[in-house]
Amino acid sequence: EAGVTQSPTHLIKTRGQQATLRCSPISGHTSVYWYQQALGLGLQFLLWYDEGEERNRGNFPPRFSGRQFPNYSSELNVNALELEDSALYLCASSLDRGTGNTIYFGEGSWLTVV
Amino acid sequence: AQRVTQPEKLLSVFKGAPVELKCNYSYSGSPELFWYVQYSRQRLQLLLRHISRESIKGFTADLNKGETSFHLKKPFAQEEDSAMYYCALSTSGTYKYIFGTGTRLKVLA
Repeated sequence: EAGVTQSPTHLIKTRGQQATLRCSPISGHTSVYWYQQALGLGLQFLLWYDEGEERNRGNFPPRFSGRQFPNYSSELNVNALELEDSALYLCASSLDRGTGNTIYFGEGSWLTVV
Repeated sequence: AQRVTQPEKLLSVFKGAPVELKCNYSYSGSPELFWYVQYSRQRLQLLLRHISRESIKGFTADLNKGETSFHLKKPFAQEEDSAMYYCALSTSGTYKYIFGTGTRLKVLA
């Protein structure tokens, strides 16, 4: 069974540009989570989608946005990129929004802003 | 507010020594707690969850609601245990999974 897949693996953008990151959850999973893993800061919760709707977002500015498609895949958009947005962006999925479900992570997308 | 605290950024122990990675949480409801591990060049993966009360790779963790802790323990560390460990809290409602900042475990030969 395929795990959570993310693309691209690496992305280099210039400050002020927009970046789009994509995620395909494990087949059958309806919940998708996005986390930012910046150096020394651990995993910071960005967004949670379930059944096509944004269920919650973390403490990030509105230029971080995303969506979930009918097939439950998801994309994360970061507008007006800033240097401090450089980080590993992790996507994870779980079976549904039930409490206590294990979440499964992708390998991440490295975003570098120069 | 819900929070997970891992007070140690780095923990170094010698092979064969006991290991304890600390995790404290803040949550007024009934928590579901997990330990995730990230080995070098691998994706973050589940190590264990408190509701299953199982031992994985010799690691155990007991939920102490009185101390709001979920420390990860292993009696005898192995070099292959060297990795980044994250404690996570799953809650119903708003934030689904909250992670601590992680502890890097280094097991020295």
